Amino acid sequence: GAGVSQSPSNKVTEKGKDVELRCDPISGHTALYWYRQRLGQGLEFLIYFQGNSAPDKSGLPSDRFSAERTGESVSTLTIQRTQQEDSAVYLCASSLSRLAGGQEETQYFGPGTRLLVL
Amino acid sequence: AQTVTQSQPEMSVQEAETVTLSCTYDTSESNYYLFWYKQPPSRQMILVIRQEAYKQQNATENRFSVNFQKAAKSFSLKISDSQLGDTAMYFCASLNMDSNYQLIWGAGTKLIIKP
Repeated sequence: GAGVSQSPSNKVTEKGKDVELRCDPISGHTALYWYRQRLGQGLEFLIYFQGNSAPDKSGLPSDRFSAERTGESVSTLTIQRTQQEDSAVYLCASSLSRLAGGQEETQYFGPGTRLLVL
Repeated sequence: AQTVTQSQPEMSVQEAETVTLSCTYDTSESNYYLFWYKQPPSRQMILVIRQEAYKQQNATENRFSVNFQKAAKSFSLKISDSQLGDTAMYFCASLNMDSNYQLIWGAGTKLIIKP
């Protein structure tokens, strides 16, 4: 399909383990975003990538969280030494461009990865 | 800081009725966009409708329309002829075009359409 895809769809891990979450944006989209959504709550911004610019990491909650993006393609969100409070759905979104204005600003979301830390 | 407030945690209506979800926002910016997203139980966040702040005309998308009151900083979503498939969480969000370009999200309204 042509939408944003994320893997895995569900992940159960033990406290203290590291996890990697993957996001494949829509082809041609230069902007990519990661959000966290705790149960019954809205979205928390985590990190944003725009082309080859330095990412905006202002939403990362701690240094256990990091993300990488290869060019304008796949992104991985890594959580080290997971804690129970990291349990949430992690959503990825992409847009054509964050800087162009207009329709390009609309973010399209993947189905999310549900992370459960035991 | 910019905020988005959705004052209705949950609403339920009968199928075919019309329902309005409220959203207010607070921004000092003049150039911004407003969005309504829908998140069904499948978790997929789906764009419902968007509104550019500089446009006076209310956006419409089939059965979905907004009532954008810029002076009051209000952006409500009206769903006409509601359907069972409209059951979902609905999130209002705003995007500043002049500053940090971050989407600011409301807490969501859970909408249940009853048969």
